[in-house]
Amino acid sequence: QLVLTQSPSASASLGASVKLTCTLSSGHSSYAIAWHQQQPEKGPRYLMKVNSDGSHIKGDGIPDRFSGSRSGADRYLTISSLQSEDEADYYCQTWGTGIQVFGGGTKLTVL
Amino acid sequence: QVQLVESGGGLVKPGGSLRLSCVASGFTFSDYYMSWIRQAPGKGLEWVSYISSSGSTIYYADSVKGRFTVSRDNAKNSLYLQMNSLRAEDTAVYYCARDVVVVAATPEYFDLWGRGTLVTVSS
Repeated sequence: QLVLTQSPSASASLGASVKLTCTLSSGHSSYAIAWHQQQPEKGPRYLMKVNSDGSHIKGDGIPDRFSGSRSGADRYLTISSLQSEDEADYYCQTWGTGIQVFGGGTKLTVL
Repeated sequence: QVQLVESGGGLVKPGGSLRLSCVASGFTFSDYYMSWIRQAPGKGLEWVSYISSSGSTIYYADSVKGRFTVSRDNAKNSLYLQMNSLRAEDTAVYYCARDVVVVAATPEYFDLWGRGTLVTVSS
């Protein structure tokens, strides 16, 4: 079964960096994923697709502070030079034939 | 302006029906697969359904199969979700989203989202 696992919460200080993790279920470690950001009281916004080779394709207007990478079944979203507006929920998402799957989301607090 | 705007949400009693709409602008709607995704209050995102660009291919999440029907009218740049036999657990904000298809007619990720419309199922 295709499942994505995320830590429920993360925190980091203003100006620092943070690395969020999304883990693919067993047997699916080669899958690509996408990251989406949801700021409070807003709809989600596409950030980037992270391919199985670790390369990523960003959405329009996404700052260079946001980057993606991978290691094995883990897919990462790194945000550097944290700003207050980065405080949001971050969801990873992947796909198969006839299905789309979201992780449970990580709530990022900027201290 | 490239955008998606949902409408049609509201309060409905258990067992009732509701039809959601999503109007697209700023891009060639007929070129894209489209999806509905929902978010229950305080919860995460849950994919509901997708429809191919022509409308010939449709998939649903198990939680809504047999109760919800997705459709589209490319002449009106519009996506629809007919929701029947509604339950309390269908209470959520419903988003429409544009799918990106890279390989072999399999939608991959959502690169454009609407702002959502709230559906509340309660007696």
